[in-house]
Formats: sequence, C-alpha cells, structure tokens
Amino acid sequence: AQSVTQLDSQVPVFEEAPVELRCNYSSSVSVYLFWYVQYPNQGLQLLLKYLSGSTLVKGINGFEAEFNKSQTSFHLRKPSVHISDTAEYFCAVSDSGGYQKVTFGTGTKLQVIP
Amino acid sequence: EAQVTQNPRYLITVTGKKLTVTCSQNMNHEYMSWYRQDPGLGLRQIYYSMNVEVTDKGDVPEGYKVSRKEKRNFPLILESPSPNQTSLYFCASSLAPSSYNEQFFGPGTRLTVL
Repeated sequence: AQSVTQLDSQVPVFEEAPVELRCNYSSSVSVYLFWYVQYPNQGLQLLLKYLSGSTLVKGINGFEAEFNKSQTSFHLRKPSVHISDTAEYFCAVSDSGGYQKVTFGTGTKLQVIP
Repeated sequence: EAQVTQNPRYLITVTGKKLTVTCSQNMNHEYMSWYRQDPGLGLRQIYYSMNVEVTDKGDVPEGYKVSRKEKRNFPLILESPSPNQTSLYFCASSLAPSSYNEQFFGPGTRLTVL
C-alpha cells in the first residue's frame, strides 16, 4: 500500500519570496507522483506530475517539483510567489501499474503575505 | 467547455433523510470517483467506477452507494445520512483508469447533516 506525508499543514510566506512545500511518499513499487492545487471554493486541478524520465518536473504557474527516489520525496518549489498562489496544495501518489488508485496527502495551505 | 459538474453545491439536511448528489462529466471519461475532504485528513476515496456498470469501494465506503448507468453520470447516494457524513465532497473523472492519468475535479458539494 502507498502513503503520502505532507508534514507542513500551513506555510506562510511573503510575496516574491521562494517557497518549498514538502512531500514524502511510501510505496513498495514504482510510483507516479502528482501535485494538485485547490483554490478557495474550487475543486482540485493538476499542477504537475512525474511519470518517468527527468526528475525535475515543471508545471503551471511557475511551479516545479523534483523527484528524489532515494529520499522518497517530491517537493514542490516556486522561486517567487504571488498573492494569487494562496491555495491548498495536495501531493498524491499512485502505483505505476494497474488501475488508478491514487492516495492523496493531507494538504498544505500556502498563505502568501503581501 | 470540458468540465465536471456537481449538484447541489451546498446542502443542509437532517439525519436519516435520503439524499443524492449528482455528478456529470462531458469529456467521455471512463473513470469516475467520489472523494470526501475533511480537515487534517485530506481527500479520501469513497467509491470509484472504471466504466459503465463497474463500481467498487474506495477507502471509506460505509454509508454511501453509487451507480453508473451512463458513462457521463456517477451519482452519490446517502440512504440514511448521519452527522459524521458532514463533509466536502468531490467528484472526479479521468480519461481511463490508468494510474498515470490526470483527474479532473468538480467544484465540490458541501454537505451538512444535522
């Protein structure tokens, strides 16, 4: 069985500062990894995903994430945040075989301070 | 516009009164799923469907029913709601059940059971 840990439930950061949202996963098999974003009063939407190949993945809105197999991590980063990045971010993992059983983390609320 | 719609968006009901939350997608997706989102617990899968007439339990199926009679619709049924089912519910769909596919989420239904 797979699991996802997002240790930071809330991350406050000043506008234009860099940010890193941490995600660690556990799985006995190869995985696919995802970051979703949930803006206030909306559903989740995909930011980026890692399937294979380059471990540095670029997504929408200037976000990127790096897959680190040895540390079983998939941290999300942005070099300079904007007020509009205020949202909740969910890391998710699925096994690379079989059907779509996706496990979501508990979420990290990013609060961008003007 | 490609989208997943849910109705109603907000619902307040009383214990024991049967209710249905509808979900519809216009993307001809095979896979559909229901999640509930609770503070500190992230998203947990209730039921999923790989195709018409094919449904299965997720992680927290107790107290819920689903059906998939048409490809586009995947209603969630609470036969006898209880206060512990107060939550934010999301319907999601993806092109196929493969674990690498992005999921598209509806806007959510906030349910309160008194």
